[in-house]
Order: sequence, then structure tokens, then C-alpha cells
Amino acid sequence: QSALTQPASVSGSPGQSITISCTGTSSDIGLYNYVSWYQQHPGKIPKLMIYDVGYRPSGVSNRFSGSKSGNTASLTISGLQAEDEADYYCTSYTITSALAFGTGTKVTVL
Amino acid sequence: HVQLVQSGAEVKKPGASVMVSCRASGYTFTGYYMHWVRQAPGQGLEWMGWINPNNGDTLFAQKFEGWVTMMRDTSTGTAYMELSRLKSDDTAVYYCARAMSANWFDPWGQGTLVTVSS
Repeated sequence: QSALTQPASVSGSPGQSITISCTGTSSDIGLYNYVSWYQQHPGKIPKLMIYDVGYRPSGVSNRFSGSKSGNTASLTISGLQAEDEADYYCTSYTITSALAFGTGTKVTVL
Repeated sequence: HVQLVQSGAEVKKPGASVMVSCRASGYTFTGYYMHWVRQAPGQGLEWMGWINPNNGDTLFAQKFEGWVTMMRDTSTGTAYMELSRLKSDDTAVYYCARAMSANWFDPWGQGTLVTVSS
């Protein structure tokens, strides 16, 4: 299983919106609505932010939203805040019943 | 309170094997797949595989086939991951995570640091 492709870094100023892309193939993101996103602060365990493309778990801010078009999924963070500075990973179910993680994106709040 | 508690840090020599345990509590252990994910220092998350605690079925990432084993003990609600023929680049934090659906996990274990060094 190949890793899903994410930009290495994305940055934005407080209050702005940013979007992180996650590109896969027709055998994973393009085939299933099973894309999730995790936030990971340094030294911490990953935290689920979005599941099944666009659903937010209870307790996650509505500033986080997810979407998908074709083989690419996206995570949008609106109203960027200092606490959003972290690494973000996408993951997708694949045609072989395996999972694939994205390469990870470091979000910097300027 | 759903919780996954993993075993403590390990230091191993190259060529050795390591077994990490993950004890589940607060839910029906056999009702949810358990996944294993690792993260090398400064690197991203890497999916290793899953085990179905109900029947012991497993699926591994292609990279790990032949050198990872996943087991479970339903009497204690514990999942195990064993990695053999360790190399220095297997140094990583290993996580177990309960699968709530095909692709998302909650909760995660606290992580187990495995250091491979001669």
C-alpha cells in the first residue's frame, strides 16, 4: 500500500482558513468514503478530527471540515488558531482492506 | 471508560524480536478490530495491520508480511503485536488503536517506544 500524498507544510495567519489536501488513487480515496483525519501535537497521541470524509466526532470544533473530490480528500481549518499548530494525517481504507496513511502535513500558525 | 493500556518501553538488539501488548477495558473486546500503527522518530504514522479479536483473523500491510504477528487473548482482553528480525529503523513508537469503523480509530493506546540498538 502506498502512502497518500499530502503537502509537507501549510501555514496561515490567525483567523485565516487553510486547506490540506490528501491525494490517493481510485483504489482508496476514489473508491470509498472512508477517509479520516488526525491531529497530532508533538509528543502526543493522534486525535481524530474527521471521519468518513466529512463527519466530526463529538467535541471537535466546527472550524474543522472535510470533503472529497475524486481521488483527493481535503481538510479545511477555518478561523485558524494558535492551538491548531500541529501535524495532520489523513487515512483511507483501500481496496485490499488495508489502510493507508498520508505523508503528513505540518500546519504552522504565523 | 474505554481505555487501551500498552506495555512499557523496550530496548532490543538488531535481529531480536519484540512483543508489545495492548490491554483493553471498558468495552467488549471481541466487538472491535484492533489496529497497530507505528511512528519512527520525527516521521509520520505507518499502518501495520489489524486483528479481529473475535476470531483471530489478521491483515498486515504488505511491508510487514512475514515478520509481524498479531495475536489476542480474549480471556484478558489483550492484543499483542510481535515484530521479528528487528533492525535499527524499526525504532519507533508503536500504537494500538481500536477501530470504530473501516478506517477510524478511537481510542489509541498511549504508545510503546521500541528502541533497536546494538
